[in-house]
Amino acid sequence: EAQVTQNPRYLITVTGKKLTVTCSQNMNHEYMSWYRQDPGLGLRQIYYSMNVEVTDKGDVPEGYKVSRKEKRNFPLILESPSPNQTSLYFCASRSGDRVYGYTFGSGTRLTVV
Amino acid sequence: ELKVEQNPLFLSMQEGKNYTIYCNYSTTSDRLYWYRQDPGKSLESLFVLLSNGAVKQEGRLMASLDTKARLSTLHITAAVHDLSATYFCASGGWASGSRLTFGEGTQLTVNP
Repeated sequence: EAQVTQNPRYLITVTGKKLTVTCSQNMNHEYMSWYRQDPGLGLRQIYYSMNVEVTDKGDVPEGYKVSRKEKRNFPLILESPSPNQTSLYFCASRSGDRVYGYTFGSGTRLTVV
Repeated sequence: ELKVEQNPLFLSMQEGKNYTIYCNYSTTSDRLYWYRQDPGKSLESLFVLLSNGAVKQEGRLMASLDTKARLSTLHITAAVHDLSATYFCASGGWASGSRLTFGEGTQLTVNP
């Protein structure tokens, strides 16, 4: 089944403890993105990648890092999480053909205390 | 900076009625997406609109794009309860690569 898989689904952590949210897609998509969703603010793009080793900042990149060493994986790294990074995170991917929309993962609900 | 605005943000309607959700975007865009999100769930792609005048229909939902007016609409025909969800439009500007800007979402409730 074609899908975007995120792990974990839920995570509670403490301020300053480094964490990684993994994202993997099995559709050979070139484009991958990370979004955060907050009440009243909608979805905002954190980082995106157009292919292996090609990444760029979205609208809210502060406090996050990403890497794209393999086409299928696009992990999101929080080096020193803070409470304002408590949010619902989505990974998404799409092919290079604009005809198709993004496929979203199931989401990761992160709480930083 | 690309801005995407949806209205209304909240919509309560009765089953059987028709309504339209509007999505305005601020700069020239080469693609417009509509997504549906159920509470606590991920986003499901509904429509991808790529050219001026594009119209796509799936069941009771129909989406259209007017690039000159920088406006997309999502029309709901004879609403049913199963359509209750939050609907997002999203736009990517020219040469923006993978950048995508979402509207705030329209929370639709269809009452029996």
